[in-house]
Amino acid sequence: EAQVTQNPRYLITVTGKKLTVTCSQNMNHEYMSWYRQDPGLGLRQIYYSMNVEVTDKGDVPEGYKVSRKEKRNFPLILESPSPNQTSLYFCASSLSSGAGERRPYEQYFGPGTRLTVT
Amino acid sequence: TQLLKQSPQFLSIQEGENLTVYCNSSSVFSSLQWYRQEPGEGPVLLVTVVTGGEVKKLKRLTFQFGDARKDSSLHITAAQPGDTGLYLCAGVRGGSNYKLTFGKGTLLTVNP
Repeated sequence: EAQVTQNPRYLITVTGKKLTVTCSQNMNHEYMSWYRQDPGLGLRQIYYSMNVEVTDKGDVPEGYKVSRKEKRNFPLILESPSPNQTSLYFCASSLSSGAGERRPYEQYFGPGTRLTVT
Repeated sequence: TQLLKQSPQFLSIQEGENLTVYCNSSSVFSSLQWYRQEPGEGPVLLVTVVTGGEVKKLKRLTFQFGDARKDSSLHITAAQPGDTGLYLCAGVRGGSNYKLTFGKGTLLTVNP
């Protein structure tokens, strides 16, 4: 079954304790992305990756790190979490547009990770 | 500044009614996508529109992309309680910009 998986689904942690949220996809997608969703602010892109070893900042990258060492995995790292990073996080993947194509980045989302930082 | 503005923000209607929600921008997009998100789950893609003026139908849902590729609309005919959810539009501006920008969504409640 084609899917994006995230772990953990729920996490409560304390300020400053490093954590990693894993994301894996089995669709051989080039493009992967992390979003956070907050009431009144909608879905905002944190980081994205066009392919292995290629990552770039989204709209709200501060306080986060990512890596893309393998095509299927795109972990989100919070080196020193703070309470303002309490949010619902989604990983997503898609095919990416190649030269001459018009493939429009249709995103497949994971089930979400609800993070609480106290 | 909201790149993609969705309206209305909230909509509560009775089963059987028709409705239209809007996704507007001052920027041109190479494509626009519509997603539906149910509580506790990730968004699920409904449709992608690519060509200006394009109309796509998905059962009782009709999606339209504006001629200038700056706006889109979603029309639901004879809404059902199963249509309840958060409807999100998202766009890619094209060129070398690979960021996907989401609107804040329209929260639709269809009452039986």
